[in-house]
Amino acid sequence: GAVVSQHPSWVICKSGTSVKIECRSLDFQATTMFWYRQFPKQSLMLMATSNEGSKATYEQGVEKDKFLINHASLTLSTLTVTSAHPEDSSFYICSASGLARETQYFGPGTRLLVL
Amino acid sequence: GENVEQHPSTLSVQEGDSAVIKCTYSDSASNYFPWYKQELGKGPQLIIDIRSNVGEKKDQRIAVTLNKTAKHFSLHITETQPEDSAVYFCAASRWDSGTYKYIFGTGTRLKVLA
Repeated sequence: GAVVSQHPSWVICKSGTSVKIECRSLDFQATTMFWYRQFPKQSLMLMATSNEGSKATYEQGVEKDKFLINHASLTLSTLTVTSAHPEDSSFYICSASGLARETQYFGPGTRLLVL
Repeated sequence: GENVEQHPSTLSVQEGDSAVIKCTYSDSASNYFPWYKQELGKGPQLIIDIRSNVGEKKDQRIAVTLNKTAKHFSLHITETQPEDSAVYFCAASRWDSGTYKYIFGTGTRLKVLA
């Protein structure tokens, strides 16, 4: 149980284009979903927290107009990186928590490379 | 703000030996402490967690201890195997503004030598 999927697993795009990443909780309803970014050999950095049907809460320093988050249902959240630039290249990981609200289950991650 | 320190950053052990990873947190209101294992190119996997009302928890070869007074918690892996090689992250969290946000440690790269 508690499986979280992400799609795509990797994406390469040109600078200036937008990229959408999907995060799904497959076998539970996710009251809250989280989006993290991880650079090579570094820890996970929280970008934003979202609850179903509400606007996402962004961490300090994260541009909400650049990283658009939509949490349309209890099983799906999307992260759109708008006008991507090479410095946005990173490993993006989502997590979800359900009834056991303190526990986050992570997706497999999406590797983004912006050329 | 909340800070979580994790040591060591790298750890090499012989197969069959034990490995210990330590974390220290700063926010005394933290009350939930999960540990995650991350293999190369994958997302973190929850391996064990502990709540602040418990001092120790064990699951087969993995155990976690918590010292609330000292704000320390540690991961213990016994009888290590090559497949235990990965990066391990600790985290501290508490209920805040309707959610549990995690503050992660910096990670420990564990290598189990066959």
